[in-house]
Amino acid sequence: AQKVTQAQTEISVVEKEDVTLDCVYETRDTTYYLFWYKQPPSGELVFLIRRNSFDEQNEISGRYSWNFQKSTSSFNFTITASQVVDSAVYFCALSEITGGFKTIFGAGTRLFVKA
Amino acid sequence: NAGVTQTPKFQVLKTGQSMTLQCAQDMNHEYMSWYRQDPGMGLRLIHYSVGAGITDQGEVPNGYNVSRSTTEDFPLRLLSAAPSQTSVYFCASSYRTSGTGELFFGEGSRLTVL
Repeated sequence: AQKVTQAQTEISVVEKEDVTLDCVYETRDTTYYLFWYKQPPSGELVFLIRRNSFDEQNEISGRYSWNFQKSTSSFNFTITASQVVDSAVYFCALSEITGGFKTIFGAGTRLFVKA
Repeated sequence: NAGVTQTPKFQVLKTGQSMTLQCAQDMNHEYMSWYRQDPGMGLRLIHYSVGAGITDQGEVPNGYNVSRSTTEDFPLRLLSAAPSQTSVYFCASSYRTSGTGELFFGEGSRLTVL
Protein backbone atom coordinates (compact mmCIF):
# COMPACT_ATOMS: atom_id res chain seq x y z
CA ALA A 1 0.00 0.00 0.00
CA GLN A 2 1.03 3.59 -0.53
CA LYS A 3 2.45 5.47 2.39
CA VAL A 4 4.25 8.77 2.81
CA THR A 5 6.07 9.72 5.99
CA GLN A 6 7.16 13.22 6.87
CA ALA A 7 8.77 12.77 10.24
CA GLN A 8 9.41 16.45 10.87
CA THR A 9 6.25 18.02 12.23
CA GLU A 10 7.62 21.56 12.60
CA ILE A 11 10.90 23.21 11.74
CA SER A 12 11.96 26.69 12.76
CA VAL A 13 14.89 28.48 11.12
CA VAL A 14 16.25 31.99 10.90
CA GLU A 15 16.15 33.76 7.57
CA LYS A 16 19.02 32.88 5.21
CA GLU A 17 19.53 29.47 6.79
CA ASP A 18 19.28 26.39 4.59
CA VAL A 19 16.63 23.85 5.55
CA THR A 20 15.86 20.32 4.37
CA LEU A 21 12.43 18.75 4.60
CA ASP A 22 12.45 14.96 4.68
CA CYS A 23 10.06 12.63 2.86
CA VAL A 24 10.11 8.84 2.92
CA TYR A 25 7.65 6.80 0.86
CA GLU A 26 6.48 3.23 0.50
CA THR A 27 5.08 1.68 -2.65
CA ARG A 28 4.95 -1.69 -4.38
CA ASP A 29 4.70 -0.14 -7.83
CA THR A 30 7.70 0.29 -10.07
CA THR A 31 6.04 3.25 -11.78
CA TYR A 32 5.00 6.10 -9.53
CA TYR A 33 5.18 9.85 -9.13
CA LEU A 34 6.36 11.94 -6.21
CA PHE A 35 5.28 15.50 -5.53
CA TRP A 36 5.82 18.40 -3.22
CA TYR A 37 3.07 20.92 -2.49
CA LYS A 38 3.17 24.13 -0.48
CA GLN A 39 0.33 25.47 1.68
CA PRO A 40 1.02 29.06 2.76
CA PRO A 41 -0.90 30.63 5.65
CA SER A 42 -3.58 31.76 3.21
CA GLY A 43 -4.58 28.10 2.86
CA GLU A 44 -4.35 27.33 -0.84
CA LEU A 45 -2.37 24.34 -2.06
CA VAL A 46 0.37 25.06 -4.56
CA PHE A 47 2.16 22.47 -6.67
CA LEU A 48 5.96 22.70 -6.51
CA ILE A 49 7.45 19.70 -8.29
CA ARG A 50 6.74 16.27 -9.76
CA ARG A 51 9.25 13.47 -10.19
CA ASN A 52 8.64 10.07 -11.78
CA SER A 53 10.16 6.86 -10.53
CA PHE A 54 12.44 6.44 -13.53
CA ASP A 55 14.11 9.81 -13.18
CA GLU A 56 16.46 10.04 -10.23
CA GLN A 57 18.11 13.22 -11.38
CA ASN A 58 18.13 15.88 -8.73
CA GLU A 59 16.42 19.11 -9.64
CA ILE A 60 17.12 22.71 -8.77
CA SER A 61 14.72 25.59 -9.23
CA GLY A 62 16.05 28.83 -7.86
CA ARG A 63 16.46 28.41 -4.11
CA TYR A 64 14.62 25.08 -4.16
CA SER A 65 16.23 21.71 -4.79
CA TRP A 66 15.01 18.15 -4.58
CA ASN A 67 16.97 14.98 -3.92
CA PHE A 68 15.32 11.74 -5.06
CA GLN A 69 16.94 8.48 -3.93
CA LYS A 70 15.16 5.24 -4.78
CA SER A 71 17.64 3.23 -2.74
CA THR A 72 16.38 4.87 0.45
CA SER A 73 12.83 5.63 -0.82
CA SER A 74 13.34 9.29 -0.07
CA PHE A 75 12.45 12.51 -1.84
CA ASN A 76 13.87 15.34 0.22
CA PHE A 77 13.33 19.03 -0.37
CA THR A 78 15.93 21.70 0.42
CA ILE A 79 15.36 25.43 0.59
CA THR A 80 18.58 27.41 0.33
CA ALA A 81 18.86 30.83 1.97
CA SER A 82 15.33 30.63 3.40
CA GLN A 83 13.09 33.67 3.42
CA VAL A 84 10.10 34.64 5.56
CA VAL A 85 7.84 34.02 2.56
CA ASP A 86 8.88 30.36 2.66
CA SER A 87 6.91 29.95 5.89
CA ALA A 88 4.24 27.40 5.07
CA VAL A 89 3.21 23.80 5.45
CA TYR A 90 4.92 21.56 2.92
CA PHE A 91 3.41 18.26 1.83
CA CYS A 92 5.08 15.36 0.11
CA ALA A 93 2.78 13.11 -1.94
CA LEU A 94 2.89 9.81 -3.84
CA SER A 95 0.83 8.78 -6.83
CA GLU A 96 0.81 5.22 -8.15
CA ILE A 97 0.00 4.30 -11.74
CA THR A 98 -2.04 1.23 -10.79
CA GLY A 99 -4.20 3.36 -8.51
CA GLY A 100 -5.24 5.59 -11.39
CA PHE A 101 -3.00 8.28 -9.98
CA LYS A 102 -4.66 8.07 -6.58
CA THR A 103 -2.49 10.50 -4.63
CA ILE A 104 -1.64 9.99 -0.99
CA PHE A 105 -0.12 12.75 1.12
CA GLY A 106 2.19 12.83 4.10
CA ALA A 107 1.19 14.62 7.27
CA GLY A 108 3.11 17.73 6.27
CA THR A 109 5.96 19.74 7.75
CA ARG A 110 5.27 23.22 9.05
CA LEU A 111 8.19 25.54 8.34
CA PHE A 112 8.64 28.77 10.29
CA VAL A 113 11.21 31.20 8.92
CA LYS A 114 11.99 33.99 11.34
CA ALA A 115 13.37 37.33 10.25
CA ASN B 1 -10.39 29.70 -16.51
CA ALA B 2 -12.08 29.17 -13.17
CA GLY B 3 -10.10 25.97 -12.46
CA VAL B 4 -11.59 24.00 -9.55
CA THR B 5 -14.56 25.62 -7.82
CA GLN B 6 -15.88 24.47 -4.47
CA THR B 7 -19.04 25.57 -2.73
CA PRO B 8 -19.85 26.46 -0.06
CA LYS B 9 -16.68 27.91 1.47
CA PHE B 10 -18.08 27.72 4.99
CA GLN B 11 -20.84 25.61 6.50
CA VAL B 12 -22.10 24.86 9.99
CA LEU B 13 -24.21 21.76 10.52
CA LYS B 14 -25.88 20.09 13.43
CA THR B 15 -25.19 16.45 14.18
CA GLY B 16 -27.33 14.23 12.00
CA GLN B 17 -27.95 16.76 9.24
CA SER B 18 -26.97 15.96 5.67
CA MET B 19 -25.37 18.20 3.10
CA THR B 20 -23.52 18.19 -0.20
CA LEU B 21 -20.23 19.88 -0.96
CA GLN B 22 -20.10 20.84 -4.60
CA CYS B 23 -17.00 20.64 -6.79
CA ALA B 24 -16.74 21.62 -10.43
CA GLN B 25 -13.76 21.89 -12.77
CA ASP B 26 -13.56 23.38 -16.23
CA MET B 27 -10.25 21.86 -17.33
CA ASN B 28 -11.71 18.63 -18.75
CA HIS B 29 -9.75 16.61 -16.19
CA GLU B 30 -10.58 12.94 -15.96
CA TYR B 31 -9.39 12.53 -12.39
CA MET B 32 -11.17 14.18 -9.46
CA SER B 33 -10.83 13.61 -5.74
CA TRP B 34 -11.86 14.79 -2.31
CA TYR B 35 -9.53 15.25 0.66
CA ARG B 36 -10.05 16.31 4.21
CA GLN B 37 -7.41 18.23 6.13
CA ASP B 38 -7.16 17.97 9.88
CA PRO B 39 -4.39 19.35 12.12
CA GLY B 40 -1.42 17.01 12.22
CA MET B 41 -3.03 14.56 9.79
CA GLY B 42 -2.14 16.11 6.47
CA LEU B 43 -4.50 15.58 3.57
CA ARG B 44 -6.42 12.32 3.67
CA LEU B 45 -8.14 10.97 0.58
CA ILE B 46 -11.87 10.40 0.97
CA HIS B 47 -13.05 9.33 -2.49
CA TYR B 48 -11.74 9.68 -6.01
CA SER B 49 -12.90 9.22 -9.57
CA VAL B 50 -10.96 8.40 -12.72
CA GLY B 51 -13.78 9.35 -15.06
CA ALA B 52 -17.52 9.87 -15.38
CA GLY B 53 -19.42 6.95 -13.88
CA ILE B 54 -16.37 5.60 -12.00
CA THR B 55 -15.68 6.24 -8.33
CA ASP B 56 -13.60 4.53 -5.67
CA GLN B 57 -12.85 4.79 -2.00
CA GLY B 58 -9.81 6.47 -0.57
CA GLU B 59 -8.29 6.28 2.90
CA VAL B 60 -11.25 7.61 4.93
CA PRO B 61 -14.50 6.99 3.00
CA ASN B 62 -16.89 6.20 5.87
CA GLY B 63 -19.75 8.66 6.23
CA TYR B 64 -19.32 10.11 2.75
CA ASN B 65 -20.84 9.37 -0.64
CA VAL B 66 -19.83 10.54 -4.09
CA SER B 67 -21.07 10.25 -7.65
CA ARG B 68 -19.62 11.33 -10.99
CA SER B 69 -22.33 11.78 -13.58
CA THR B 70 -20.35 14.30 -15.65
CA THR B 71 -16.68 15.00 -16.25
CA GLU B 72 -17.03 18.44 -14.69
CA ASP B 73 -18.78 17.71 -11.38
CA PHE B 74 -17.86 15.60 -8.36
CA PRO B 75 -20.14 16.32 -5.36
CA LEU B 76 -19.37 14.97 -1.88
CA ARG B 77 -22.35 14.03 0.28
CA LEU B 78 -22.37 13.78 4.05
CA LEU B 79 -25.25 11.49 4.88
CA SER B 80 -25.57 12.12 8.62
CA ALA B 81 -23.01 14.63 9.84
CA ALA B 82 -20.97 13.87 12.95
CA PRO B 83 -18.63 16.14 14.94
CA SER B 84 -15.71 13.97 13.73
CA GLN B 85 -16.41 15.29 10.23
CA THR B 86 -15.50 18.82 11.26
CA SER B 87 -12.66 19.58 8.88
CA VAL B 88 -11.48 21.51 5.87
CA TYR B 89 -12.38 19.75 2.65
CA PHE B 90 -10.47 20.12 -0.59
CA CYS B 91 -11.53 19.01 -4.03
CA ALA B 92 -8.76 18.35 -6.55
CA SER B 93 -8.51 17.33 -10.18
CA SER B 94 -5.79 16.30 -12.59
CA TYR B 95 -5.08 14.90 -16.01
CA ARG B 96 -4.95 11.13 -15.82
CA THR B 97 -3.92 9.82 -19.17
CA SER B 98 -1.26 12.47 -19.67
CA GLY B 99 0.75 10.90 -16.89
CA THR B 100 1.31 14.19 -15.14
CA GLY B 101 -0.82 13.60 -12.10
CA GLU B 102 -0.29 17.09 -10.74
CA LEU B 103 -3.32 18.03 -8.68
CA PHE B 104 -5.20 21.29 -9.08
CA PHE B 105 -7.00 22.19 -5.87
CA GLY B 106 -10.07 24.18 -5.03
CA GLU B 107 -9.92 26.81 -2.31
CA GLY B 108 -11.34 24.51 0.33
CA SER B 109 -14.59 24.26 2.28
CA ARG B 110 -14.54 24.63 6.05
CA LEU B 111 -17.20 22.48 7.69
CA THR B 112 -18.14 22.59 11.36
CA VAL B 113 -20.46 19.98 12.82
CA LEU B 114 -21.96 20.87 16.21
